[in-house]
Amino acid sequence: DIVLTQSPVTLSLSPGERATLSCRASQSVSSGYLAWYQQKPGQAPRLLIYGASSRATGIPDRFSGSGSGTDFTLTISRLEPEDFAVYYCQQHSYSLFPFGPGTRVDVK
Amino acid sequence: QVQLQQSGPGLVKPSQTLSLACAISGDTVSSNIAAWAWIRQSPSRGLEWLGRTFYRSKWNNEYAASVRSRITINPDTSKNQFSLQLNSVTPEDTAVYFCARDISARFDYWGPGALVTVSS
Repeated sequence: DIVLTQSPVTLSLSPGERATLSCRASQSVSSGYLAWYQQKPGQAPRLLIYGASSRATGIPDRFSGSGSGTDFTLTISRLEPEDFAVYYCQQHSYSLFPFGPGTRVDVK
Repeated sequence: QVQLQQSGPGLVKPSQTLSLACAISGDTVSSNIAAWAWIRQSPSRGLEWLGRTFYRSKWNNEYAASVRSRITINPDTSKNQFSLQLNSVTPEDTAVYFCARDISARFDYWGPGALVTVSS
């Protein structure tokens, strides 16, 4: 089974700064089937990126995804106040569809 | 616009059955493209995919190994909804339960979530 790890656990940044979040898989993710979600307190996760680099409908272009094989990155080019949240990666190629443990982006 | 609305009790006694329903609007449970999934979230287990149901000429179900012996996900075409039943629950099943639309195993629409507490 694929296990996803995310780093860092917490990222403390200021609005306007660039955020770089990492997701590493224990084995290669087929065809880059890696998704990213944003979750705010009391809300369901929101799909941001799928297929490693495709933005979901309505997602601003300051969010971008990259990577392949076992190493993937979510980049937020300039943090807006509404971007402070927890971010999860998830592989969507094999069965079980595991999620990573999350990275919290909070205000410095 | 797809919307998912969840219903079901928020408190279940140990050893009993957890039952939740998810009503779909803006899509159909019989879609040949989508699947319909249950996912839960707890502090100890994080986000955990539990299983899904989908129609591809016939109804199919897939379940996570961790709950396979205890879980049933059923579609209800008359109400355009799907349901989750989890048997023999323990306090470790206490979590927020989400239903979600699954397109190629990415979850693009989610229900609001329902906290289910297992306690006597």
